Amino acid sequence: GIQVEQSPPDLILQEGANSTLRCNFSDSVNNLQWFHQNPWGQLINLFYIPSGTKQNGRLSATTVATERYSLLYISSSQTTDSGVYFCAVDRSYSGGGADGLTFGKGTHLIIQP
Amino acid sequence: NAGVMQNPRHLVRRRGQEARLRCSPMKGHSHVYWYRQLPEEGLKFMVYLQKENIIDESGMPKERFSAEFPKEGPSILRIQQVVRGDSAAYFCASSPRSGEQYFGPGTRLTVT
Repeated sequence: GIQVEQSPPDLILQEGANSTLRCNFSDSVNNLQWFHQNPWGQLINLFYIPSGTKQNGRLSATTVATERYSLLYISSSQTTDSGVYFCAVDRSYSGGGADGLTFGKGTHLIIQP
Repeated sequence: NAGVMQNPRHLVRRRGQEARLRCSPMKGHSHVYWYRQLPEEGLKFMVYLQKENIIDESGMPKERFSAEFPKEGPSILRIQQVVRGDSAAYFCASSPRSGEQYFGPGTRLTVT
């Protein structure tokens, strides 16, 4: 099956710092999503970005589908940004509809005050 | 527009009992997915359903686990004769015909 690798696995930053999280995937995909799992365990949708660039406030993401990677940028980090960031992809699926997502192992981000 | 709803949020079962987890998709979404997050592991796909049909159950354990999405009512993930290794967070997600999946808050199952 498709492989998803995220880096770095752990990241500790001071409040106000910027960061870049990377997601590499091994095959062409229909869907790529970034999630934030907060300390309470909830999965928050950040971006649906199979290709191109999107921005939402302090967060932005870029996916280069031809080179099979995606980047998540967090600027001016806040303590509430702490948690685990997951990248997830689904295989190109010929039957119509979205396929089950394959998740990376995540980047554990800690923002210190 | 309410999000994906899961209940119960927390479930405690003794070894050998049955666990039933429920998921109501977002309004207008006809595709439901179940995922499991074991301690120290990532999220793993289990099963993909549409109304009255199992589309892909390649991630489901072969025994004791079953899922359904009836014409009326929520999707159900059923675990029979639970064992301690089933303790995990179980997430449901829904999507429209194709595209972004939205996740529910999860059910945390503890087997004692």
